[in-house]
Amino acid sequence: AAGVIQSPRHLIKEKRETATLKCYPIPRHDTVYWYQQGPGQDPQFLISFYEKMQSDKGSIPDRFSAQQFSDYHSELNMSSLELGDSALYFCASSTPSSEQYFGPGTRLTVT
Amino acid sequence: EDQVTQSPEALRLQEGESSSLNCSYTVSGLRGLFWYRQDPGKGPEFLFTLYSAGEEKEKERLKATLTKKESFLHITAPKPEDSATYLCAVRAGGGGADGLTFGKGTHLIIQP
Repeated sequence: AAGVIQSPRHLIKEKRETATLKCYPIPRHDTVYWYQQGPGQDPQFLISFYEKMQSDKGSIPDRFSAQQFSDYHSELNMSSLELGDSALYFCASSTPSSEQYFGPGTRLTVT
Repeated sequence: EDQVTQSPEALRLQEGESSSLNCSYTVSGLRGLFWYRQDPGKGPEFLFTLYSAGEEKEKERLKATLTKKESFLHITAPKPEDSATYLCAVRAGGGGADGLTFGKGTHLIIQP
């Protein structure tokens, strides 16, 4: 079965640089979620989109923004990167009110 | 504020030794309790959704149950391949696209 696709899988950036993470949901899933997981931590919800509109907002820094496009893929844009932004970033997708299926993640390292 | 507490933090079992993992939650209006399995460096893998007290679901060696305050993940006769971190999460609120609040997980090791 098709799964959530994330790209890139690994990304290395320097402080103050910008990064863009991409997420392609499971076919026919119209809802996308972004999570951040630091080393040894549980996933923290950042933001979600339903039908290209922002739906719920968690602990997303003001330096981050995201959007969902007409083909339902989503991008997370991160600016002025800090060392503390180093983490695994997961995208999940679902149909409304159903369980969320997670992608393999993007490992971001900020040096 | 929604809170999810999992115990124990870590659990080491012998192959075939059954046990249970606990997830206590405090939410305003539960709209689903979820169990995920996560292997190191990988995305959480969906296991179960529970919606109301008394509900139970099973899959192979795993069985999840739900009360008004907690959920249990029972693992029967585990095998080494069941070793992973098991995460519990809740969804509250009124929207269909609300984010999940996760517990810190139980790191389970099954020794052959």
